[in-house]
Amino acid sequence: DGGITQSPKYLFRKEGQNVTLSCEQNLNHDAMYWYRQDPGQGLRLIYYSQIVNDFQKGDIAEGYSVSREKKESFPLTVTSAQKNPTAFYLCATGLDGKLYGYTFGSGTRLTVV
Amino acid sequence: GQQLNQSPQSMFIQEGEDVSMNCTSSSIFNTWLWYKQDPGEGPVLLIALYKAGELTSNGRLTAQFGITRKDSFLNISASIPSDVGIYFCAGQGWNAGNMLTFGGGTRLMVKP
Repeated sequence: DGGITQSPKYLFRKEGQNVTLSCEQNLNHDAMYWYRQDPGQGLRLIYYSQIVNDFQKGDIAEGYSVSREKKESFPLTVTSAQKNPTAFYLCATGLDGKLYGYTFGSGTRLTVV
Repeated sequence: GQQLNQSPQSMFIQEGEDVSMNCTSSSIFNTWLWYKQDPGEGPVLLIALYKAGELTSNGRLTAQFGITRKDSFLNISASIPSDVGIYFCAGQGWNAGNMLTFGGGTRLMVKP
């Protein structure tokens, strides 16, 4: 079955540490996206990539970094520069050049302890 | 970035009642989509609309693509407890790299 795998589901981080969230897809979608969701809030775009080896900042990129070395993978690193990293992180994919919407992963909940 | 105007922000209804929510935009879109997010999970696509004026149903859900291409609504008939969650509208167009623009979400709570 094609889909998106986000891991881990729950992640705990100490203050001052970097942490990497994984997003892997086997849908053969060109574009991949990272969103942040705070409790009771909507979706805010962190980074996106429409092609391998290229990515763009979204609305709230500060304190985050990404890479896109393979079509299937788009890991997100939450750095120590991100002052309030506790949130629910969602990865999504989409077909470039098509208006079919996005497919979302099941999310990673990051908590800073 | 731009966000669609989605209303209401939250609804607390009795089981069996019908629900209506809508989304408006200052920009036109070529596709309107409605997603549902269960607690602790990612959003799942409920209905996609591709043509202005289109009315589409999926079980108890009905959605319409506004004739001006700047709005959409979602109706849920005879709500049940598993309808609980956050509903997001999204618009997608050929500009801005086909990226989705999301509404702020409608949180639906159903009292048995």
